[in-house]
Amino acid sequence: AQSVAQPEDQVNVAEGNPLTVKCTYSVSGNPYLFWYVQYPNRGLQFLLKYITGDNLVKGSYGFEAEFNKSQTSFHLKKPSALVSDSALYFCAVRDDTGGFKTIFGAGTRLFVKA
Amino acid sequence: DAGVTQSPTHLIKTRGQHVTLRCSPISGHKSVSWYQQVLGQGPQFIFQYYEKEERGRGNFPDRFSARQFPNYSSELNVNALLLGDSALYLCASSPQGTDTQYFGPGTRLTVL
Repeated sequence: AQSVAQPEDQVNVAEGNPLTVKCTYSVSGNPYLFWYVQYPNRGLQFLLKYITGDNLVKGSYGFEAEFNKSQTSFHLKKPSALVSDSALYFCAVRDDTGGFKTIFGAGTRLFVKA
Repeated sequence: DAGVTQSPTHLIKTRGQHVTLRCSPISGHKSVSWYQQVLGQGPQFIFQYYEKEERGRGNFPDRFSARQFPNYSSELNVNALLLGDSALYLCASSPQGTDTQYFGPGTRLTVL
């Protein structure tokens, strides 16, 4: 069965510092991995995805994520955090075995302090 | 281009009632998915439809049903509402050939 774990409920970082939001997953086949961001009172916005290819994926707003197959991880990173990055971040996974079910993690709240 | 739209924005119902939520995908998108997001949790997959056919179903009771129309819009129906159905219901559409989902703002359902 597919599952996603985001081990941190909250991540605090100072503006200008690098940030990492962690995600680990479990799937039967090859993973399709996604990061979405949710701002207050708004729907989710797509940030980036990994389907195949380079393990380092670049996405919107300067975010990137690294796929690590051996550690079954897909951590979200940004070299220099902005206050405006403060939001709720969700990791999601689907496998390539023919199912169409996308599983989301519980979310990690990112606070960037000025 | 307009994004995914959902209606209504907010809804208050009482236990036992029925509710219909509506979603219009981005123009050209043929796939629509529905999610339930309870406060403090991640979205939980309910259904996916593609070209009017159900392609996936999550672990929700039969009280939950959905359909997709020829114009690719979709409805989510929930019968015999329970207090636990109170949540934000999100609709997402996807372009053909990709797995990227574009989410609507959601419908906030409160069951009293």
